[in-house]
Amino acid sequence: GNSVTQMEGPVTLSEEAFLTINCTYTATGYPSLFWYVQYPGEGLQLLLKATKADDKGSNKGFEATYRKETTSFHLEKGSVQVSDSAVYFCALSGRMNTGFQKLVFGTGTRLLVSP
Amino acid sequence: DAGVTQSPTHLIKTRGQQVTLRCSPKSGHDTVSWYQQALGQGPQFIFQYYEEEERQRGNFPDRFSGHQFPNYSSELNVNALLLGDSALYLCASSLGGGPSYNEQFFGPGTRLTVL
Repeated sequence: GNSVTQMEGPVTLSEEAFLTINCTYTATGYPSLFWYVQYPGEGLQLLLKATKADDKGSNKGFEATYRKETTSFHLEKGSVQVSDSAVYFCALSGRMNTGFQKLVFGTGTRLLVSP
Repeated sequence: DAGVTQSPTHLIKTRGQQVTLRCSPKSGHDTVSWYQQALGQGPQFIFQYYEEEERQRGNFPDRFSGHQFPNYSSELNVNALLLGDSALYLCASSLGGGPSYNEQFFGPGTRLTVL
């Protein structure tokens, strides 16, 4: 079945450091890939997405490229801020046998950015 | 434009009790999906409702049931609560149940604690 594996956290960085959070996936067909962010006490917010191979999703300085050959969708940001501290989830959309889509999430990676 | 809303925000129950959680989708959306997020884990798909019917179900027992109303709002019911049911329950809404992926928008969640 479909699954997502992402690096364990927490990832601890100083402000303005470079961020990489690794994500690999296993899927049948051609899923869409997503990064969601969850701030403390809140629900999930879509950060970025890519719907086909070689697509690059980007938002708020974050970016990730859909790599079919390595089945990866690593999240990167050139210079993190304290306000980026949150839990980041990699996810894929898998089509169920009904034709409907559901999201399959990784376990999440907590990012802690210190001033 | 109101986003996805959920009620209540927090809930405390004891083992064996029953609970009902509620979700109102984003305006214009007709599909509601429910996810369970245990502490420190990624969300797990429970089921999805479209046109007032359950279209697909994840690996959850029959104690978990739901309903969708004509106005597209939805309820999640859990019977015979277990300690392991303690989690954040997330509702996500989207438009249409067809083969193309339609972005799911998440609510803030209901935090259920079972004592």
